[in-house]
Amino acid sequence: EDQVTQSPEALRLQEGESSSLNCSYTVSGLRGLFWYRQDPGKGPEFLFTLYSAGEEKEKERLKATLTKKESFLHITAPKPEDSATYLCAVSIQGAQKLVFGQGTRLTINP
Amino acid sequence: GAVVSQHPSWVICKSGTSVKIECRSLDFQATTMFWYRQFPKQSLMLMATSNEGSKATYEQGVEKDKFLINHASLTLSTLTVTSAHPEDSSFYICSARDNKGIYSNQPQHFGDGTRLSIL
Repeated sequence: EDQVTQSPEALRLQEGESSSLNCSYTVSGLRGLFWYRQDPGKGPEFLFTLYSAGEEKEKERLKATLTKKESFLHITAPKPEDSATYLCAVSIQGAQKLVFGQGTRLTINP
Repeated sequence: GAVVSQHPSWVICKSGTSVKIECRSLDFQATTMFWYRQFPKQSLMLMATSNEGSKATYEQGVEKDKFLINHASLTLSTLTVTSAHPEDSSFYICSARDNKGIYSNQPQHFGDGTRLSIL
């Protein structure tokens, strides 16, 4: 069964304290891995797509990496406005839908 | 780019009424749109996949007669919750994907959701 697991479930950091979020996946045929950010009461906002192991993408304080079994979202020197739930999802061969992880609730304290 | 608009953002209605939610892709054409439901502090739960011009594909456990989906154009999909009851109260979110075939690997772009409250 295709599965996506995110850890930790929740993470509290001080402003400026760098860390990483993990997304591990077990799927039959990975076509792509997507990271989204979701603020309370809003829809998910697209951040990155990663298609193959070794690929990296960066945007401001965020950097996403991909291996054959997992992806990391690295957050460097985070600010309070980075507080949100970060969702990881994968697309698999022969399917239209995404398989989502449960998300990581990130809180950055000033 | 890749903006998805969802309306209404919030609706309150009496039990037994039907509610229609619209999802529009504003700056791209979407062959495929998706409808999700999200409970507090949980991830997205896919309800159905909608391909333009054909019947929607519903996930197991989702009543297709309860949740009517129409995708009549490449920029508009609607979800109608028929004879809504309090247990249908939830946060409904749509997404759309760029028009590159039904198995496109382009990212889904999401609307801002509709908070539905049934009294």
